[in-house]
Amino acid sequence: QVQLVQSGAEVKKPGASVKVSCKTSGYIFTGFFTHWVRQAPGRGPEWLGWVNPKSGDIKYVPKFQGRVTLTWDTSISTAYMELSRLTFDDTAVYYCARDRDDTLDFWGQGTLVTVAS
Amino acid sequence: QSVLSQPISVSETPGQRVTISCSGSNSNVGSNTVSWYQQLPGTAPKLLIYNNDQRPSGVPDRFSGSKSGTSASLAIGGLQSEDEADYYCAAWDDSLNGVGFGGGTRLTVL
Repeated sequence: QVQLVQSGAEVKKPGASVKVSCKTSGYIFTGFFTHWVRQAPGRGPEWLGWVNPKSGDIKYVPKFQGRVTLTWDTSISTAYMELSRLTFDDTAVYYCARDRDDTLDFWGQGTLVTVAS
Repeated sequence: QSVLSQPISVSETPGQRVTISCSGSNSNVGSNTVSWYQQLPGTAPKLLIYNNDQRPSGVPDRFSGSKSGTSASLAIGGLQSEDEADYYCAAWDDSLNGVGFGGGTRLTVL
């Protein structure tokens, strides 16, 4: 069955970086885009970007360009999201999700990133 | 603010029907398919409707979706207490070249 399993919660100080992993299974990793979405407390989801592991294409939301880095390791079917220069506003649950025909059909369980001094 | 617009909250009594609206623009809802997600507290969003009106296997037929122009709707019939959750619409946005989400609607079953 399709599964996306993310790394555990993180607590970071302002200015630091965080890297979240998303290990996929149950499908061909290179056959689907992987998206990253975050959700701040009490807010709706906010799309961060996507990767196409087959073509190597990556797309970032302009707002996060320069601070977000999306990578992947095809050999272990895992995607990564790194966010740098963290601020308190980056406190959120970060999700990875599989894209099937422009629909995010399967999601990871989420990774809580807390930015605190 | 969110790419798509939804009412903040709706409420209805058990057994009744409720509709949640989602308003977008020509670059998203108007030109691409809409999906709906249900999110229970502390969990990831779960796909409820895709391609405007299709249900993944396992989603009860009490849930239905529709789209007209730059607006879409999610209808939930025969409301049950377990339907209490946050509901989000989403659509590919051509301007963003990514996914636009609604701000979410909290459904309260009275």
